[in-house]
Amino acid sequence: QKEVEQNSGPLSVPEGAIASLNCTYSDRVSQSFFWYRQYSGKSPELIMSIYSNGDKEDGRFTAQLNKASQYVSLLIRDSQPSDSATYLCAVRPGAGSYQLTFGKGTKLSVIP
Amino acid sequence: DAMVIQNPRYQVTQFGKPVTLSCSQTLNHNVMYWYQQKSSQAPKLLFHYYDKDFNNEADTPDNFQSRRPNTSFCFLDIRSPGLGDAAMYLCATTNSGNQPQHFGDGTRLSIL
Repeated sequence: QKEVEQNSGPLSVPEGAIASLNCTYSDRVSQSFFWYRQYSGKSPELIMSIYSNGDKEDGRFTAQLNKASQYVSLLIRDSQPSDSATYLCAVRPGAGSYQLTFGKGTKLSVIP
Repeated sequence: DAMVIQNPRYQVTQFGKPVTLSCSQTLNHNVMYWYQQKSSQAPKLLFHYYDKDFNNEADTPDNFQSRRPNTSFCFLDIRSPGLGDAAMYLCATTNSGNQPQHFGDGTRLSIL
């Protein structure tokens, strides 16, 4: 059973701080990793994709991947109240699979 | 803009009355997915199409059916909705390879 684990939260951070969201996955051959943001009552919105070990930065967002530890994280710098949402980690297995395994999401609350 | 469009945004139906949800895409993606998402839960994959090749998840109830008449359109049919089928239904698309899935805005289904 392929699993993706996230802390459900809520994770509360003050405005302007760094929010750190973590995700572990069980399938060692996983190739692609995604972070989606989902506001309450809305559909998931892609924030970041990462495919190789290391860091990938896009504006205030940094994704970090460590395949040896089966760990992927998302850092949000200078957190804003508008970042308050549930963040879903999604993992795609090896070549030939078109499915994603989603974590249950971490609810982030940015306090003004 | 190229996008994934779901209709309707909100659907109310009666217990046991068949309902159809629709999804269209202008991305020309060959893979389309239907997910069910309940409150505070991860999206649950119901089925997906690779072109016309239909792939049903093992735990998707027989009550749920799908049609993909062409590349652009995909439908979710719920033959006899029960109270437990009240949820957000999400359509997503992707190209083959490692690309992320792109979600429509979802259809919120309520059962009376």
